[in-house]
Amino acid sequence: EVQLVESGGGLVQPGGSLRLSCVVSGFTFSTYWMHWVRQAPGKGLVWVSRIHGDGSSTIYADSVKGRFTISRDNAKNTLYLQMNSLRAEDMAVYYCARFSDGGGDFWGQGTLVTVSS
Amino acid sequence: QSALTQPASVSGSPGQSITISCTGTSSDVGAYKYVSWYQQHPGKAPKLIIYEVSNRPSGVSNRFSGSKSGNTASLTISGLQAEDEADYYCKSHTSSDTLLFGGGTKLTVL
Repeated sequence: EVQLVESGGGLVQPGGSLRLSCVVSGFTFSTYWMHWVRQAPGKGLVWVSRIHGDGSSTIYADSVKGRFTISRDNAKNTLYLQMNSLRAEDMAVYYCARFSDGGGDFWGQGTLVTVSS
Repeated sequence: QSALTQPASVSGSPGQSITISCTGTSSDVGAYKYVSWYQQHPGKAPKLIIYEVSNRPSGVSNRFSGSKSGNTASLTISGLQAEDEADYYCKSHTSSDTLLFGGGTKLTVL
């Protein structure tokens, strides 16, 4: 059974940092691009970033470029999102997800990041 | 990059059919077969219901169907049921090698 479990969310002050983790199981982690998607309270889904299976390539949405860093540890089956210089508008539920050809989509349950003083 | 354009809300009565549109550009929806649709119930993670424009994952009802014409993709739900009441999102690959979601559509079953 495929599982993605996020953690690391919480309350952080504006300008602060937070690192999210996503532990996966049930598939060969290193062979898939992995993604982060966020959803602000009461708002829609927004794609944040993705990383190649071997970590060699990363892509970011303009809204987080230069502030967020996606990474992975394939030995630990874990995806990360390092978030720096956090702003009020970064407050959201953050989902890790696998999107693959042929409909092989899987999402975690999400972790809530609250940015407030 | 701006979200793909979806109607904010649609509604229909049980048994009826509804269609949700998702309009992008020639750099995203119009350019790729990689358009997906997701259903999201409150407090839950999104669930894939259509991939690659018109394909249904195993276990998804055949009441859900997808299509695309030019820069606009569409999701049709036939034989509306109460459990279909949810938010629906489209997603497309883009020429910048990013992904782009639609703004979301709230479906109300009357």
